[in-house]
Amino acid sequence: DIQMTQSPASLSASLGETVTIECLASEDIYSNLAWYQQKPGKSPQLLIYDASSLQDGVPSRFSGSESGTQYSLEINSLQSEDAATYFCQQHHDYPFTFGSGTKLEIK
Amino acid sequence: QVQLKESGPGLVQPSQTLSLTCTVSGFSLTSYSVHWVRQHSGKSLEWMGRMWSDGDTSYNSAFTSRLSISRDTSKSQVFLKMNSLQTEDTGTYYCARNWYDGLFDYWGQGVMVTVSS
Repeated sequence: DIQMTQSPASLSASLGETVTIECLASEDIYSNLAWYQQKPGKSPQLLIYDASSLQDGVPSRFSGSESGTQYSLEINSLQSEDAATYFCQQHHDYPFTFGSGTKLEIK
Repeated sequence: QVQLKESGPGLVQPSQTLSLTCTVSGFSLTSYSVHWVRQHSGKSLEWMGRMWSDGDTSYNSAFTSRLSISRDTSKSQVFLKMNSLQTEDTGTYYCARNWYDGLFDYWGQGVMVTVSS
């Protein structure tokens, strides 16, 4: 199975700041990487797919990038509603696997 | 609009079988795949398996021997059955629609399952 190593496990940032969350794939996943946002008590929501494509309706302050097998989610101009847990997911090969999650707190 | 809703028992005894139903609306099961994903206590997500639009199935090998996914297209329902449940199977079970391969664009609200005697 492809392992997705996500970091950090948690972070705290202030309104208006920029944060970056990373996922390292254990092998080449050819940009088949998605990011999901999950708020407490809610289901995950797709934010970004194919490493850098924004899902419809997602604010442009969210962006994704890649470098080799390292994938990053950047959130600019943090808003209070961005407080959530973020997961990466590879959909290159079965079984689809997720990162362990990053809990983002807004100060 | 697109909706998925899981239903099933909240409590299952160890060694028993879990049966869950995912009822969908706003799309056809013959046009879209539906996946099952579970989550342990707000922790990470685990892909369990998939009902393809043609009725075929794919499973995570971690569950293969005890997991079965089926459907009733006339009722727009997808079913999950997993036997030999243990306490580590406690968690929230989601069904999710496949957008394009392996991406989940719509999720159900989830159903919390506790395995306990």
